[in-house]
Amino acid sequence: NAGVTQTPKFQVLKTGQSMTLQCAQDMNHEYMSWYRQDPGMGLRLIHYSVGAGITDQGEVPNGYNVSRSTTEDFPLRLLSAAPSQTSVYFCASSPPGVNEQFFGPGTRLTVL
Amino acid sequence: GQQLNQSPQSMFIQEGEDVSMNCTSSSIFNTWLWYKQDPGEGPVLLIALYKAGELTSNGRLTAQFGITRKDSFLNISASIPSDVGIYFCAGPPNSGNTPLVFGKGTRLSVIA
Repeated sequence: NAGVTQTPKFQVLKTGQSMTLQCAQDMNHEYMSWYRQDPGMGLRLIHYSVGAGITDQGEVPNGYNVSRSTTEDFPLRLLSAAPSQTSVYFCASSPPGVNEQFFGPGTRLTVL
Repeated sequence: GQQLNQSPQSMFIQEGEDVSMNCTSSSIFNTWLWYKQDPGEGPVLLIALYKAGELTSNGRLTAQFGITRKDSFLNISASIPSDVGIYFCAGPPNSGNTPLVFGKGTRLSVIA
């Protein structure tokens, strides 16, 4: 198993550009989530999904969209990037009925 | 929303010393998770605790689920340079596959 994979590893955007951060897992986990990590702020939940076709907002959802068309993939979309979205983004997943989440390696995003 | 308070925020220790850190919550948690994040990587699960009073070890790491269910502790014995990183506590406010709440982390530096 590759576990949780994220692409790209690094990305630089200009203000107003759009992009999609990819997240995939091959462990058949139903639960997937996106976090952002900023210095001194810990991990903050952006969006999460308890299964294909179901998504919900987390603590900081503004400026981000998600969809879950398959169990394996959970992409995060930035429709119009802003400098405040400069951060490190982590995707995580967990098996049914289990709280332990497994994290991907992260995407470091810079918005100029 | 619920918050987990971790202390200390950072610590500098000599190689070989023991380390203690803790995490507290204003509400009861049924599961406590401890993660470690190496520089430039995603968080990795170290220990999961499921029962009040439970004491669980993983090599030189030992974690305890507080009796009140509102706190947890992580100890590292005989620290080594590769212990450097950020340690996060986390827990689910509800049972089942629900979003985790994370503490802001304890940054550990080990001086050889």
